[in-house]
Amino acid sequence: NAGVTQTPKFRVLKTGQSMTLLCAQDMNHEYMYWYRQDPGMGLRLIHYSVGEGTTAKGEVPDGYNVSRLKKQNFLLGLESAAPSQTSVYFCASRGVGAGGYNEQFFGPGTRLTVL
Amino acid sequence: KNQVEQSPQSLIILEGKNCTLQCNYTVSPFSNLRWYKQDTGRGPVSLTIMTFSENTKSNGRYTATLDADTKQSSLHITASQLSDSASYICVVSARNSGYSTLIFGKGTKLSVKP
Repeated sequence: NAGVTQTPKFRVLKTGQSMTLLCAQDMNHEYMYWYRQDPGMGLRLIHYSVGEGTTAKGEVPDGYNVSRLKKQNFLLGLESAAPSQTSVYFCASRGVGAGGYNEQFFGPGTRLTVL
Repeated sequence: KNQVEQSPQSLIILEGKNCTLQCNYTVSPFSNLRWYKQDTGRGPVSLTIMTFSENTKSNGRYTATLDADTKQSSLHITASQLSDSASYICVVSARNSGYSTLIFGKGTKLSVKP
């Protein structure tokens, strides 16, 4: 049981390049999330998904796209990277259950630098 | 506007000492409050979750308190260890139309020195 995993761990891009971050969870969770964490700021929600085939915008969605083709995977894409997207990206997932507190489990993060 | 404010921003203590971290929030409608520990280079890990009716909750040497009237929470760490060095993030959940939104504080960076 690996929990939430993220690929890659580190990446350096040039402005204008594209890339995809992969998040995978093996807990059969319905909900998945992508956050970014910047120095001096709290985590901010980029996009989320409430189930396979669904996606929705979070607080800071501009410049990102997501897909949830399989329940266990949530992909975050950057079509044309900008230096403002330099950040640490965290994926999280949570299940749906009666009486639950919507506990979110986070992945280890992907550190992205855009030059 | 929903906000979560944490203090202090950073804290240095000696190993074995106790410390208390503070969290003030203006979040509505309030659902629950969580404290997360985030080690450097790692994802946040949940320490405690408290609902409106819970005043205190412990997890080993970590004890969280919640005063829903004043909208304040604290995280008390007893007999600190070097491994407690991390950022501690207060997160408040707001529940709207059956869906929860998490509002994250900026965190308190704790350094425990030998």
